[in-house]
Amino acid sequence: DQQVKQNSPSLSVQEGRISILNCDYTNSMFDYFLWYKKYPAEGPTFLISISSIKDKNEDGRFTVFLNKSAKHLSLHIVPSQPGDSAVYFCAASGVASGSRLTFGEGTQLTVNP
Amino acid sequence: DGGITQSPKYLFRKEGQNVTLSCEQNLNHDAMYWYRQDPGQGLRLIYYSQIVNDFQKGDIAEGYSVSREKKESFPLTVTSAQKNPTAFYLCASSTGQFYGYTFGSGTRLTVV
Repeated sequence: DQQVKQNSPSLSVQEGRISILNCDYTNSMFDYFLWYKKYPAEGPTFLISISSIKDKNEDGRFTVFLNKSAKHLSLHIVPSQPGDSAVYFCAASGVASGSRLTFGEGTQLTVNP
Repeated sequence: DGGITQSPKYLFRKEGQNVTLSCEQNLNHDAMYWYRQDPGQGLRLIYYSQIVNDFQKGDIAEGYSVSREKKESFPLTVTSAQKNPTAFYLCASSTGQFYGYTFGSGTRLTVV
């Protein structure tokens, strides 16, 4: 039972354009969501998070949007840069799961110069 | 510098041998986790520990074992019972629900 899903395994965009990565979840008890970025042969690094009391959180070029009614969140990167090319993981947690995170499958973003 | 260290970065073992992956953190985090990454399957939880001397099975615990004798250390043993041990293994630690994880740099295990 995949509670967090990233339906697009890969996404390719041109440098300077917007990248939109999507994530859906099924567990209504999730109330905290995070995005991680991962380069090959390295551990993921935290990018941005959002609590369920908000619908948007922005940090520089990165913005995460949360639509609780649709159980959907998205990560917007604008403008996209070649250094953003990586695998992006969506993750979720809830009070019932404590600090345990449930991850999506990841989306490989490629930003072409 | 505070962080989480996994060693070794690359590990080769013959089929049928047990192997232990090291994970050490000096972040004073209570919780620690082991994940496995396979292509197209994201990060799957093997075991986690929220306090010393206690740990719980994750989603794919079969063929693995752990111990948590010290707050700083959470070693993972891949036993010969694990049917597909070749993978990239990630250790993480956390201080609580709303702080996310800090990950190590991973260990690539190849069983031949």
